[in-house]
Amino acid sequence: SAVISQKPSRDICQRGTSLTIQCQVDSQVTMMFWYRQQPGQSLTLIATANQGSEATYESGFVIDKFPISRPNLTFSTLTVSNMSPEDSSIYLCSVVTDLETQYFGPGTRLLVL
Amino acid sequence: GENVEQHPSTLSVQEGDSAVIKCTYSDSASNYFPWYKQELGKRPQLIIDIRSNVGEKKDQRIAVTLNKTAKHFSLHITETQPEDSAVYFCAASWNTGGFKTIFGAGTRLFVKA
Repeated sequence: SAVISQKPSRDICQRGTSLTIQCQVDSQVTMMFWYRQQPGQSLTLIATANQGSEATYESGFVIDKFPISRPNLTFSTLTVSNMSPEDSSIYLCSVVTDLETQYFGPGTRLLVL
Repeated sequence: GENVEQHPSTLSVQEGDSAVIKCTYSDSASNYFPWYKQELGKRPQLIIDIRSNVGEKKDQRIAVTLNKTAKHFSLHITETQPEDSAVYFCAASWNTGGFKTIFGAGTRLFVKA
């Protein structure tokens, strides 16, 4: 399995500001993803974080709003830009190991006022 | 498009009874079917998975079955305990041209003591 940590675990932010969420994995992984989970809902893929190149975004998510960095095979960041209350959600980092098994980080609980 | 349907959305059982959650998927390329348990405020935790070359897999009180012809897969929990109460997500994944996972909407399981 993979041990995944995220920082911060939670935050309360003012609208119009930006927050950067960090994801660290204890081993090198090829695939890293960022998901959003609204309260009581399932998991929605935001983007695939590609090492050394631009992230691949899903329909409805754009780079200007959710810029992603992936400088190496163990670390990634997701920024939520120009936040509004609609961005209040849980943001989860996820990795797929060499055995093609998917694991999730503990999540970042974001509240935008 | 790709879709995973999950039923029921809510399931209430008496402690000691069995619980069954069913999912269907649409994409024939799916070859990996994980199940996640998510307790309140926690990350989705992988509890069991099955790959397309296997029809059934069991781990203590938890079992998963897969019918590729019908595109059905199910989670079976026997001798349920109150600590089994959580939201369960099924998912269908494939890795052609990039790893992709589609999640079901989730089943909220209540185990009454």
